[in-house]
Amino acid sequence: DVKVTQSSRYLVKRTGEKVFLECVQDMDHENMFWYRQDPGLGLRLIYFSYDVKMKEKGDIPEGYSVSREKKERFSLILESASTNQTSMYLCASSGQVGIFWEQYFGPGTRLTVT
Amino acid sequence: GESVGLHLPTLSVQEGDNSIINCAYSNSASDYFIWYKQESGKGPQFIIDIRSNMDKRQGQRVTVLLNKTVKHLSLQIAATQPGDSAVYFCAEDRNSGYALNFGKGTSLLVTP
Repeated sequence: DVKVTQSSRYLVKRTGEKVFLECVQDMDHENMFWYRQDPGLGLRLIYFSYDVKMKEKGDIPEGYSVSREKKERFSLILESASTNQTSMYLCASSGQVGIFWEQYFGPGTRLTVT
Repeated sequence: GESVGLHLPTLSVQEGDNSIINCAYSNSASDYFIWYKQESGKGPQFIIDIRSNMDKRQGQRVTVLLNKTVKHLSLQIAATQPGDSAVYFCAEDRNSGYALNFGKGTSLLVTP
């Protein structure tokens, strides 16, 4: 069974705190992604990584950074949390199967910044 | 900019009926599309995918149809069951597996 796990299901942080969201996949996938999901806006790409120590900005990278020191782990960092970063954060990984790419998501972390 | 969109925000069907969820995309260069199902409180779950060189692909109780002429994608669910109630997203691959553009989602409600 494919598996993407996220370190927390629910998280409450204060404005200005540094927040770490961890994601681990056990499928040996090259690519990993962080999205945020907000009502009415769907899923938006924050950052992605196609290899260890590589990272690319997505559509909304401002206020976030990422780290990929090992293939299986991709971390999202909020340097100084703000209330507008209250959201559901979804990690995903993808790898090629034949001519198709399979992308799998973790269960999500619901972050509340107060 | 390019976008992926869904025609209807909600769809209500009776148990046992077939469901059809539609999606329009605007990037004619998109070559890979995926349907996801998201149940409340969970992450999106992969259902089925299709490449642009295909018109149709079938899975277990699901079929995806791709019409490149009108840039339209549909997900058909046969004999819809209560467990199919969820939000369904279409997504297009924008860079060979590196990332996806997601539509806003269609909420499917299956009534007994």
